[in-house]
Amino acid sequence: QVQLVQSGAEVKKPGASVKVSCKVSGYTLTELSMHWVRQAPGKGLEWMGGFDPEDGETIYAQKFQGRVTMTEDTSTDTAYMELSSLRSEDTAVYYCATGVRKPTYYFDYWGQGTLVTVSS
Amino acid sequence: SYVLTQPPSVSVAPGQTARITCGGNNIGSKSVHWYQQKPGQAPVLVVYDDSDRPSGIPERFSGSNSGNTATLTISRVEAGDEADYYCQVWDSSSDHPGVFGGGTKLTVL
Repeated sequence: QVQLVQSGAEVKKPGASVKVSCKVSGYTLTELSMHWVRQAPGKGLEWMGGFDPEDGETIYAQKFQGRVTMTEDTSTDTAYMELSSLRSEDTAVYYCATGVRKPTYYFDYWGQGTLVTVSS
Repeated sequence: SYVLTQPPSVSVAPGQTARITCGGNNIGSKSVHWYQQKPGQAPVLVVYDDSDRPSGIPERFSGSNSGNTATLTISRVEAGDEADYYCQVWDSSSDHPGVFGGGTKLTVL
């Protein structure tokens, strides 16, 4: 059973960066395909990007290209999502989720979410 | 990028059957996945690959997909099924491959 535990809520000013962590237990990070999904207050789910182990590359939604970086520390089984040049529209709950490719991706385990608030 | 369209809300009485649709261009050629999200909680996968259920999901949850519409069916609806439901596909040819529908609020009357 995979468990994903995310870091705590953050408050950032416009223009700053935020880095959210997602600690994996029950499996090692190398066995998983980690993705990130966000949800603005009262809105729907939005996929941001994720690691594709078949290609060995991280795929980013074009909307976030150049502003988001997803990394992994396999020594601690922790995934990270860093979003830069924050604006008020980035206020959202950010989720990490494990992707299963069979043959297209769905997301079977989710973290508890991290609220990022962008406010001056 | 690929667009998925869901009705904003569906209402059903307890014990009845709820059907939540997800529309997309030739969606029948794609695998559709469904998530349940209750207030303040992370989404939970309830149906994957059109009609398969993860372990622990009741048989009351089923899915189908054909033509331009995928459907999540919840039989014998219970009060605890009240939640937001999202469909999702993966569009490998897109620059935004992970796509979610806008979500449907299921209200149990």
